[in-house]
Amino acid sequence: EPEVTQTPSHQVTQMGQEVILRCVPISNHLYFYWYRQILGQKVEFLVSFYNNEISEKSEIFDDQFSVERPDGSNFTLKIRSTKLEDSAMYFCATTSGTVTGELFFGEGSRLTVL
Amino acid sequence: GEDVEQSLFLSVREGDSSVINCTYTDSSSTYLYWYKQEPGAGLQLLTYIFSNMDMKQDQRLTVLLNKKDKHLSLRIADTQTGDSAIYFCAERRGNFNKFYFGSGTKLNVKP
Repeated sequence: EPEVTQTPSHQVTQMGQEVILRCVPISNHLYFYWYRQILGQKVEFLVSFYNNEISEKSEIFDDQFSVERPDGSNFTLKIRSTKLEDSAMYFCATTSGTVTGELFFGEGSRLTVL
Repeated sequence: GEDVEQSLFLSVREGDSSVINCTYTDSSSTYLYWYKQEPGAGLQLLTYIFSNMDMKQDQRLTVLLNKKDKHLSLRIADTQTGDSAIYFCAERRGNFNKFYFGSGTKLNVKP
């Protein structure tokens, strides 16, 4: 069964460092997303990406965040200068854009900022 | 408001039915979803319902939708210990499949 894969599964970084989280979407999917879940809290939308550009972003997705799909395969989330409050589980999700629009999630990348 | 609301905890005995409730916000939401999250894992799609349906059954899962009250529920029949997890409801809004999630209901199944 096709799946969304994310790397790394866990990253520990120092405050102020840059972090890149990677996602390989399901191959025929057209819409890509990053969601974030701070420990014990709800899953929050960060950004959606379609046709090689951001289609929508939340207030959380400030100038420290960026996304790209540089090689047509990996979909990346970059955090330029991490803060303690960026510690969370980051989920990549993709959908084919069909009418039912099921969103398929990766296993998540746990980011710990010290 | 924009919040999808769920109760935080539910505890049931193995073999009983579980009912997890959710209140969503946008009456124009076309699809509503239930996801399951096991400890340390990602979100697994369980089922979804189209907004013009009242009920959908899928094996042990029954989804009920009350559009008038914007209330969604997930019933798990014959609940097993393996069903212990956090269950999220989500509504899809907007042109780009933006999903809004509830805070999740932690289901604890006691043997």
